[in-house]
Amino acid sequence: DTGVSQNPRHKITKRGQNVTFRCDPISEHNRLYWYRQTLGQGPEFLTYFQNEAQLEKSRLLSDRFSAERPKGSFSTLEIQRTEQGDSAMYLCASSLFYSPNSGNTIYFGEGSWLTVV
Amino acid sequence: GQQVMQIPQYQHVQEGEDFTTYCNSSTTLSNIQWYKQRPGGHPVFLIQLVKSGEVKKQKRLTFQFGEAKKNSSLHITATQTTDVGTYFCAGPVVKTSYDKVIFGPGTSLSVIP
Repeated sequence: DTGVSQNPRHKITKRGQNVTFRCDPISEHNRLYWYRQTLGQGPEFLTYFQNEAQLEKSRLLSDRFSAERPKGSFSTLEIQRTEQGDSAMYLCASSLFYSPNSGNTIYFGEGSWLTVV
Repeated sequence: GQQVMQIPQYQHVQEGEDFTTYCNSSTTLSNIQWYKQRPGGHPVFLIQLVKSGEVKKQKRLTFQFGEAKKNSSLHITATQTTDVGTYFCAGPVVKTSYDKVIFGPGTSLSVIP
């Protein structure tokens, strides 16, 4: 399978616990994105990487969220001290980026569903 | 900040009817992309438009990019039940030498057989 891979696919956790999601992008892709999606909404941007550099983190994210892409390949998204409002699907995506005018087709993984109880 | 908007939010059509969703950006876009998300699935890339006034077709789907590169539309002719899902437009936010892609809220299409 050469697509974007995410795990775990589903996670149920108690409020206050920490969770970590992993994303393996398409191997030749230099860009990696994390989005969050709740029911009936479009994907909401969280953060993205160009190789191992984190380019931007959404101002909507609290300090409880952190993402890494240590070697420019896979990435992890950690949520500390989870809250019920964190319940959502966390989508990872990757792309091969050349320049803004060349377009930037994003390929999504199947997502990781988080339920905080 | 930059916003991408879509209308309508929901659309219910009889099978065989046409369907159109519209996408508007508050700023000029260098390109626009369309994605489809089936219920319970993840967004899947459909197409990208780059040129002003560009029109592209994929079988029964017609995509158009506005002359001012601030709006776009997706038109489906003679809908089928396989067209059910949410259609998102997405565009880049240009910031210094980097950009990121932001998504509209989507149009959810239901097709009544």
